[in-house]
Amino acid sequence: DVKVTQSSRYLVKRTGEKVFLECVQDMDHENMFWYRQDPGLGLRLIYFSYDVKMKEKGDIPEGYSVSREKKERFSLILESASTNQTSMYLCASSTTGGAWGNTEAFFGQGTRLTVV
Amino acid sequence: AQSVTQPDIHITVSEGASLELRCNYSYGATPYLFWYVQSPGQGLQLLLKYFSGDTLVQGIKGFEAEFKRSQSSFNLRKPSVHWSDAAEYFCAVVGYSSASKIIFGSGTRLSIRP
Repeated sequence: DVKVTQSSRYLVKRTGEKVFLECVQDMDHENMFWYRQDPGLGLRLIYFSYDVKMKEKGDIPEGYSVSREKKERFSLILESASTNQTSMYLCASSTTGGAWGNTEAFFGQGTRLTVV
Repeated sequence: AQSVTQPDIHITVSEGASLELRCNYSYGATPYLFWYVQSPGQGLQLLLKYFSGDTLVQGIKGFEAEFKRSQSSFNLRKPSVHWSDAAEYFCAVVGYSSASKIIFGSGTRLSIRP
């Protein structure tokens, strides 16, 4: 089974802190994603990466950056945390299935971040 | 740009009744479509997916979905719901590209009436 592991289930940080959310997948997937989930808004894509050191902005990249130095690891960075970044953060990975295109995303359990 | 619309925020059905959750997508070419379920306190689990071929796809837990290109829809159905189906359901779309992003709808919360 594909396993996507997020380093923390719960985090509490102070406004202005630099925050790192880590995600590791064990299936050699090319693609990795960071979403945030808020009630009534569903999952909104922050950033995704389709290869090592490659990244593309999603729909809500402001206030975030990412790093992918190794294929299995994708980090989300909040440069200066703010209270409006309090949310559930979900990491996912997928593989590019050749002629069939992307396959489904596999998700981690999520990190609930509270910024106070 | 890709987008997904789930017009129903919250649906309540009686246990044993049939269910249909709506999903409409916007994409310039043939999309790949997914339905995920998120039970309370749990991660997202894939219910079913459509890539090509037969437009009626079967998934886990007795769910099915039908792709209708003319209506840009991919509605999820179940003939008889169980109390354990209470959860949030997300429709998602991805384009046919090696670097395509997966876009999710806003979700539909399903409640089951005993």
